Amino acid sequence: SQKIEQNSEALNIQEGKTATLTCNYTNYSPAYLQWYRQDPGRGPVFLLLIRENEKEKRKERLKVTFDTTLKQSLFHITASQPADSATYLCARGGYSTLTFGKGTMLLVSP
Amino acid sequence: DAGVIQSPRHEVTEMGQEVTLRCKPISGHNSLFWYRQTMMRGLELLIYFNNNVPIDDSGMPEDRFSAKMPNASFSTLKIQPSEPRDSAVYFCASRAPGQGGYGYTFGSGTRLTVV
Repeated sequence: SQKIEQNSEALNIQEGKTATLTCNYTNYSPAYLQWYRQDPGRGPVFLLLIRENEKEKRKERLKVTFDTTLKQSLFHITASQPADSATYLCARGGYSTLTFGKGTMLLVSP
Repeated sequence: DAGVIQSPRHEVTEMGQEVTLRCKPISGHNSLFWYRQTMMRGLELLIYFNNNVPIDDSGMPEDRFSAKMPNASFSTLKIQPSEPRDSAVYFCASRAPGQGGYGYTFGSGTRLTVV
């Protein structure tokens, strides 16, 4: 089966630092990976999509990489703020549907 | 746009009762997904509709679960009879046309508690 794995331990960082979250997948590379943010009591919110043939994608303070050799995607938030505290979900894209990881909680302290 | 609208937000029901969850996708989106989220298993895909037709229902746990999409603006997920292990947050999501090129828009979810 196609798995997607994220670090279950929360990541604690100080405001202003760069947060880096990891997503690993098994078996063949998906056509694309997506990253979502989820706040407590809310549904996930789409942030970024990166395709298999793209090495890096940026959006404002966010950066995503896709390494098909390591079977890994990294999600970076630069100049992190307390408002960035949330759970971040990685998802691998198949033909039509997404398989989600369980997410990593990010806590940014002032 | 009001986004994906789900109702009810919370549902508490007794074991054995029928539960119906509702979803209104974003207008113009032609794909609709039902997911279930628990701490143990994360987000699991239950069923996927494209142009109102069920395409993949392999994630539906068992015959107690059924889903319909009678038109492009409405879908239901029904559990009959409900069991305590069905307690979870159920999300509906929709996506614009174009295979894999777009992110999903999720609703706020229905928190179901079966006692």
